Amino acid sequence: QQQVKQSPQSLIVQKGGISIINCAYENTAFDYFPWYQQFPGKGPALLIAIRPDVSEKKEGRFTISFNKSAKQFSLHIMDSQPGDSATYFCAASYGQNFVFGPGTRLSVLP
Amino acid sequence: EAQVTQNPRYLITVTGKKLTVTCSQNMNHEYMSWYRQDPGLGLRQIYYSMNVEVTDKGDVPEGYKVSRKEKRNFPLILESPSPNQTSLYFCASSRQVLNTEAFFGQGTRLTVV
Repeated sequence: QQQVKQSPQSLIVQKGGISIINCAYENTAFDYFPWYQQFPGKGPALLIAIRPDVSEKKEGRFTISFNKSAKQFSLHIMDSQPGDSATYFCAASYGQNFVFGPGTRLSVLP
Repeated sequence: EAQVTQNPRYLITVTGKKLTVTCSQNMNHEYMSWYRQDPGLGLRQIYYSMNVEVTDKGDVPEGYKVSRKEKRNFPLILESPSPNQTSLYFCASSRQVLNTEAFFGQGTRLTVV
C-alpha cells in the first residue's frame, strides 16, 4: 500500500530527445506527488510537484502528467540536455507519510 | 544561505562502536527526517520528527535512535552499528509535514566493517 513503483531503472537519451519516467502507486490517500533530482555526491532536490486535483503541471522543460484513475504519474523532460543527467526519484505523501520510488538513473548523451 | 548540514560526510567504523551523525538546519523548519539510500531501494525513511521532543519511527527504524532537543538539530545515533547499516544517509527538513518541499543535506556515507 505504501510502495511507489518507478520505471525504468535506467534511461539513456540523446541530447534534444524526450526523457520519460513513470511511477505508480496503490494508496489513494496520497495527495502530494513530487519529483526529486539528485546529482552525484549531492542530496536530492525538489524538481517539480503536483497535487491530484490537476492532470498536468509544466515548469520549463519539465512536465508532470497525472492520471488519478490509473494511479500513475510521469515526468517528461523535453529537449533533454547532458546537464539533466542525474538520478530522478518520484515520491508520494500524505500526512507524515512520505514514500520514495527506487529511482531512475538518466544519462543524456551529447 | 538556507541549508541542511550533515557531519561527517564520510565515516568508516567498526561493528559495535557507537556513533552519531549530526544534522542541523537554519530554516526554522518544524519537520525533520532521516533517510538511508541503498542501490535499487531508493530512499527509505528511518525516523522523523514533527517538532521539538516529538519523534516517530519511519519504515526502517531498527538499530537507530534519534533525538530532537532543539528545533534546528536532529542527530542520528547508531548505538551498536552493524555491517548491514553500511549505507548513504540523508537528513531532510521541511517547513511542515503536509505537502511541502523537503530540503536535503549533502549526505553521509557510512561504512561499518
